[in-house]
Amino acid sequence: SQQGEEDPQALSIQEGENATMNCSYKTSINNLQWYRQNSGRGLVHLILIRSNEREKHSGRLRVTLDTSKKSSSLLITASRAADTASYFCAFNDMRFGAGTRLTVKP
Amino acid sequence: NAGVMQNPRHLVRRRGQEARLRCSPMKGHSHVYWYRQLPEEGLKFMVYLQKENIIDESGMPKERFSAEFPKEGPSILRIQQVVRGDSAAYFCASSPGSRVSTGELFFGEGSRLTVL
Repeated sequence: SQQGEEDPQALSIQEGENATMNCSYKTSINNLQWYRQNSGRGLVHLILIRSNEREKHSGRLRVTLDTSKKSSSLLITASRAADTASYFCAFNDMRFGAGTRLTVKP
Repeated sequence: NAGVMQNPRHLVRRRGQEARLRCSPMKGHSHVYWYRQLPEEGLKFMVYLQKENIIDESGMPKERFSAEFPKEGPSILRIQQVVRGDSAAYFCASSPGSRVSTGELFFGEGSRLTVL
């Protein structure tokens, strides 16, 4: 089964700053997905990147994938207080990383 | 189009009792996943089911836990003889296609089990 690690475990930034979260994995993947979880709620899908893609954008989100390093990063630009949540990466076997808890201070 | 529905949202059981958590996937979805989440932790994969079949139960504890997804009706996660360590949030997710071909998962709001 796939195992992933995310870093940092927690990240605290000011509104307007950019937030970068990283996800590493061990075995080959077909795709990698990022999800967001607001406190106490279910996860919401943010973006999917396939193994033959290097970068993908969606609004203020930018995801990169480096298959040679077996890692992906999620960049949130111009962060807002409403971006405060936990962010998880998931692999094609639908196992999740441990997540990054992002706090955006107004 | 209703999303993934989980019930009950909150369940309190005493040690030794049984807990049954239900998940109705989105309309047209035939694949269901169950996850467990402890406070401030990530999601731990438990089981992946297709209608009438368990595809991957490698994350399920060997004893006391079982899951099913019958031809008709919701998917059920059953925990027998609950212990305090079973207290957690249990999330269900569904997808229209298989794990290999799937895109995103759609999550329910979770069922929070408290064992007294």
